[in-house]
Formats: sequence, C-alpha cells, structure tokens
Amino acid sequence: DAGITQSPRHKVTETGTPVTLRCHQTENHRYMYWYRQDPGHGLRLIHYSYGVKDTDKGEVSDGYSVSRSKTEDFLLTLESATSSQTSVYFCAISNSYEQYFGPGTRLTVT
Amino acid sequence: GIQVEQSPPDLILQEGANSTLRCNFSDSVNNLQWFHQNPWGQLINLFYIPSGTKQNGRLSATTVATERYSLLYISSSQTTDSGVYFCAVGADRGSTLGRLYFGRGTQLTVWP
Repeated sequence: DAGITQSPRHKVTETGTPVTLRCHQTENHRYMYWYRQDPGHGLRLIHYSYGVKDTDKGEVSDGYSVSRSKTEDFLLTLESATSSQTSVYFCAISNSYEQYFGPGTRLTVT
Repeated sequence: GIQVEQSPPDLILQEGANSTLRCNFSDSVNNLQWFHQNPWGQLINLFYIPSGTKQNGRLSATTVATERYSLLYISSSQTTDSGVYFCAVGADRGSTLGRLYFGRGTQLTVWP
C-alpha cells in the first residue's frame, strides 16, 4: 500500500471556525489531490497539486484553500467551516495516472 | 467535466454467485480506475485499465474505450467482496495529469 496518512482522522468543529486537514505521503509522488465524499455523489475533486507550490482548483473548490510547501505534505484549509462542508475528505497521490488514496478524515461541522 | 454512470446502483448476491458491474462515461479518457470501498471506508485500488482486459484472481475488468464503457466482473463472490465499487475516469494531460471523475458507485452486498 502507498504510504499516505491523513490527520486528524475524525474532527468535530463549530460553524465559522477554521479547520486544517493534513495529508502526508512517504512515496515522493509528484501529484496530490483532495476529494470529498458525500452520499449520492461519489468522490469530487476539491483541489490538487502538481508540484511544490503548484496547485489548482477542482470542481468543488469554493470555501477551501490548499498549500503545498514540500513534496510530502498537502494541507486543506476550510477558512470558515459551514455545515455543508460536513463530509469525508480523502487525500490521494499519484506519479502518473493511477491514484492511491489515504484513509480519509471524517469532518463534522455543527 | 466527464459524466460517469455506474449500474446497477445496488446489487445483492448470495455467496458464490457471479456479477457484472458497468461503468459508462461521456468522453474519451486516458485514465480509468476501479476501486472497492470496504465497509470501513478505505478505498482499495482494483484496476488501472484505460483500455483492454485485466484479471486479478476472482476479479477481472474490461474497458472498451472506443465505446466508452468498462465492466468489472466478480466471480464466486464472497462476503468480503461487500462494499461500494467505484469507477473513476480522467482525460487530463500535462500539469493537470490524473484528475479523476467518479461515478456514484455500485453498492454490493454478499450474504452467506
């Protein structure tokens, strides 16, 4: 299995608070991705990175920002969490086309 | 983005039965993956198969890229096969390499 960890694994936060999720990889893969999974929607891409400091938006990027200051870490920030951001968040990595996923973070915004 | 449709949405089988899951997509792709999400939520890579046929044990997959569909076959199903099966496709090149669009999945339940 690809070496991908996500932290925290579970988080409950209040509406309006900032939240940062971390994805860490030990595979030295160039590409990293953040997805969210909601019932009835499969997984949807939030943001992705194609190198250190190189990021771009996915299909559901509103309300999220990302940063990648080193190859192994990709951070997802919710500047002001809303209830609609309650979801399971998955990080993925890739060096070519095939993607490998982390264990996920379950975020609940109350 | 690319539209991905999976069928059936739900499938209930008795242990030992065979099944076929289908994935249709709306555009030419250069990336297609099948995943199994187990009951604990983990996404497990099954196949990377933008075209052709592959087999891994009781599972096999076929993608006919020119007709924009892929099939996942599960033979002699076991209770551990239960979970959600996702098809994901991509058509990006260059710096956006590897972006995936997911279907809504097929929920498979295998009972003893």
